[in-house]
Amino acid sequence: AQTVTQSQPEMSVQEAETVTLSCTYDTSESDYYLFWYKQPPSRQMILVIRQEAYKQQNATENRFSVNFQKAAKSFSLKISDSQLGDAAMYFCAYRKHNDMRFGAGTRLTVKP
Amino acid sequence: DAMVIQNPRYQVTQFGKPVTLSCSQTLNHNVMYWYQQKSSQAPKLLFHYYDKDFNNEADTPDNFQSRRPNTSFCFLDIRSPGLGDAAMYLCATSSKRYEQYFGPGTRLTVT
Repeated sequence: AQTVTQSQPEMSVQEAETVTLSCTYDTSESDYYLFWYKQPPSRQMILVIRQEAYKQQNATENRFSVNFQKAAKSFSLKISDSQLGDAAMYFCAYRKHNDMRFGAGTRLTVKP
Repeated sequence: DAMVIQNPRYQVTQFGKPVTLSCSQTLNHNVMYWYQQKSSQAPKLLFHYYDKDFNNEADTPDNFQSRRPNTSFCFLDIRSPGLGDAAMYLCATSSKRYEQYFGPGTRLTVT
């Protein structure tokens, strides 16, 4: 079974600074999708960024970017210029067809 | 706006009393999922529908059932809720192999 590991239960960043959240996964597949989701307190889970495994180029969405290392099975999320609204639980997720697996999450605190 | 809607947002039920949670979508996605999420934990997939094909996770208790009468609606039935079933229940949809779109969740309390 595919597993997703987030080794940082909690992270903290100063407003306007940069933070990187780690994620590793285990799979024998070569074609799959990876995601980072954000879940603010008592609010809906929303997609932050998506990476197709067959693409070598790292995905970027405004202040959010990933470092995708396929051989190492690593998929970290970098948040630049952190804002107070970035405070949330962040989940790394793996998908192959309809098999979707989430990591345990990283709680990000943003300090003003 | 296209979206995933869950009703009710908060549900209180008694121990052993059957309860049904509902999910609807306007995205016309062919796949619908139900997740259980306990406090500060990752969502745990219970089952999903690919069109009308039902796919149960191996470790989903028999106490949990699901129905999908049409593309837009999906229901989660808990036949005899126990205290351990208190959680947030998330519905999600997706099209093909892409990202999932989540509803706001239903918080279930069992008294």
